[in-house]
Amino acid sequence: GAGVSQSPRYKVAKRGQDVALRCDPISGHVSLFWYQQALGQGPEFLTYFQNEAQLDKSGLPSDRFFAERPEGSVSTLKIQRTQQEDSAVYLCASSEGPNSYEQYFGPGTRLTVT
Amino acid sequence: AQSVTQLGSHVSVSEGALVLLRCNYSSSVPPYLFWYVQYPNQGLQLLLKYTSAATLVKGINGFEAEFKKSETSFHLTKPSAHMSDAAEYFCAVSDSPGNQFYFGTGTSLTVIP
Repeated sequence: GAGVSQSPRYKVAKRGQDVALRCDPISGHVSLFWYQQALGQGPEFLTYFQNEAQLDKSGLPSDRFFAERPEGSVSTLKIQRTQQEDSAVYLCASSEGPNSYEQYFGPGTRLTVT
Repeated sequence: AQSVTQLGSHVSVSEGALVLLRCNYSSSVPPYLFWYVQYPNQGLQLLLKYTSAATLVKGINGFEAEFKKSETSFHLTKPSAHMSDAAEYFCAVSDSPGNQFYFGTGTSLTVIP
């Protein structure tokens, strides 16, 4: 079956621009996570949704980062007024629900801020 | 708080040799532990997981890992490396189902023909 998909796969933004990154989780998956992976580093947690509810946003690095999942399926991570330090791969993962161990990762969106 | 340390950011092995990638964790509660593999320009693929059942866990592609509570370790091994094993490997820990993962910084595995 279809896995987690993310779009765009690559995004180049000029500093100060706003960007929107999309995640399509596996159909029926309740839980959705966003992670940020800087070059040469492991992924770091940004935020977590259970259905449409954003239950944890403790990893969002600044108020320029905003995520939503209005219908409990597709999620969008928005970064306003991008900065060079925002350059990273943004990974989305979904899981069946809060009692599920496994997270299934998408291919990521590589954001480069110039 | 949870954390993961992966010793050795780069590991090189000859084709057919033993692969050993090290992972130590810190957790205030019984951990759930995972190994993921990442090929260039791809997402993370689950290799195996420990969820408090058997301490020796077998995964895909011939990999296995052993949970050693006394050593707070979850090292990944494969008896015989294959060229296709060349990739980035990440160890991750979670404190309960459905919670965020904490990842190590990764180990890049090179397989020498």
